[in-house]
Amino acid sequence: QVQLQESGPGLVKPSQTLSLTCTVSGGSISSGSYYWSWIRQPAGKGLEWIGRIYTSGSTNYNPSLKSRVTMSVDTSKNQFSLKLSSVTAADTAVYYCARLRAHYGGNSRAYYMDVWGKGTTVTVSS
Amino acid sequence: QAGLTQPPSVSKGLRQTATLTCTGNSNNVGNQGAAWLQQHQGHPPKLLSYRNNNRPSGISERLSASRSGNTASLTITGLQPEDEADYYCSAWDSSLSAYVFGTGTKVTVL
Repeated sequence: QVQLQESGPGLVKPSQTLSLTCTVSGGSISSGSYYWSWIRQPAGKGLEWIGRIYTSGSTNYNPSLKSRVTMSVDTSKNQFSLKLSSVTAADTAVYYCARLRAHYGGNSRAYYMDVWGKGTTVTVSS
Repeated sequence: QAGLTQPPSVSKGLRQTATLTCTGNSNNVGNQGAAWLQQHQGHPPKLLSYRNNNRPSGISERLSASRSGNTASLTITGLQPEDEADYYCSAWDSSLSAYVFGTGTKVTVL
């Protein structure tokens, strides 16, 4: 059973870069046709998708965050990572990593997130 | 980023039926349906269904999902106290090349 675990600093200073890692256990990050995704949730608010990465390194990012986001994958460590630059207080949130997979039917693919990490709280403050 | 629209809250009595809606457009919900997630306070989201009414193992049969045009729906029958949570719909938007979430619906069981 695949499990995900986020890790990284819980406190980041404004204008600095937030860096988080998601470790995949119970299975290989390279097995299957999965994407690996980051999502965040400010306190009391809804979910916001940050981006996804395939094990080939191919990425898609939220257009509203694209200029500040970089995602990478390290298959040797079974990990994928998030970097968010020039952070402000608005980036304070619980950050989740998740497995994103596709269901094929008809002439379209439906994507969904079936495995989630427990989340890690990141606070941006001086 | 354009998202999916959900009513902020739904309140129903114990053992009643609640129907949650999720409105998108032809680039997301209308094209592939929606996935539904449940989130209890302080916990990560949990997948309830995908592509309209495919349920992962272990998900209660009291939950059923459907789609009509650009609107997806999640119906919870026989409401129980443990159903009290936030519910989010989600889908890939082919126009944005981005994943979008609904605004979320808080379900209260009276």
